[in-house]
Amino acid sequence: NAGVTQTPKFRILKIGQSMTLQCTQDMNHNYMYWYRQDPGMGLKLIYYSVGAGITDKGEVPNGYNVSRSTTEDFPLRLELAAPSQTSVYFCASSYSPGQGDGYTFGSGTRLTVV
Amino acid sequence: GEDVEQSLFLSVREGDSSVINCTYTDSSSTYLYWYKQEPGAGLQLLTYIFSNMDMKQDQRLTVLLNKKDKHLSLRIADTQTGDSAIYFCAGPLYGGATNKLIFGTGTLLAVQP
Repeated sequence: NAGVTQTPKFRILKIGQSMTLQCTQDMNHNYMYWYRQDPGMGLKLIYYSVGAGITDKGEVPNGYNVSRSTTEDFPLRLELAAPSQTSVYFCASSYSPGQGDGYTFGSGTRLTVV
Repeated sequence: GEDVEQSLFLSVREGDSSVINCTYTDSSSTYLYWYKQEPGAGLQLLTYIFSNMDMKQDQRLTVLLNKKDKHLSLRIADTQTGDSAIYFCAGPLYGGATNKLIFGTGTLLAVQP
C-alpha cells in the first residue's frame, strides 16, 4: 500500500513550457485534491474531484487543468508555465472527508518556473 | 467564504508545553483538523475534533474547541525536538461542504533543546 504517489519530486520549467504533475493513489479513494503551498500562505486548493469523470475548481484554478479518467489517477496540467506558478504542489486523497478521515497527502512536487 | 488564521511562529524549550492557536470563520457543524508537516514532506493528519465536542485528548495532544469564539487550539505536552514542524489547522470550505478543506497559513514550531 503506497498511499499517494506524486511524480516528479522536483522540476524546473522555462516560462511558457507545459508539464503534467502526476498523482496516483492505491487506496480506492473517490475524493482527490490538488493544493499548492507558498511560503507563509498555507495551502490553496487548485482543483478537486469527487470521483472518476468529475472535477471541479477550487480557490486558485487559473493556469491549471485536471482530468480524472480513473479512480487512481488525478494529473494536474500546466499549459503555459509562469513564474507565479513556482510553488510546491501537493496531491491528496480521501475516502470519506466528512467523517473525520481527513486527507492522505503525497510528498509533493517542487516546481520552479524561470 | 471560509477563512482560517494561525500565528506564523512559536518557539518553546524541550519539555515545555506548546499551544498552537487557530481561528476560523465557518460555523457549520463538521470536523476540524490538525496536520503536521515535517521538512520536505507532505502533510500528516495528527488529530481531529468534531464540532459538537469541546475537547479531545490523544496521548500528548489535546485539542480545545471554543465554538462561540470560533477558536481551535492544539496543545502538545512535554514537547520534544521531534515535534519541530509546521502545524496546520484545517476546516471545511464553502459553508460546511466537508469534501473540501481549507488550511490555515501554518505555524512553525521550533523546539529548543
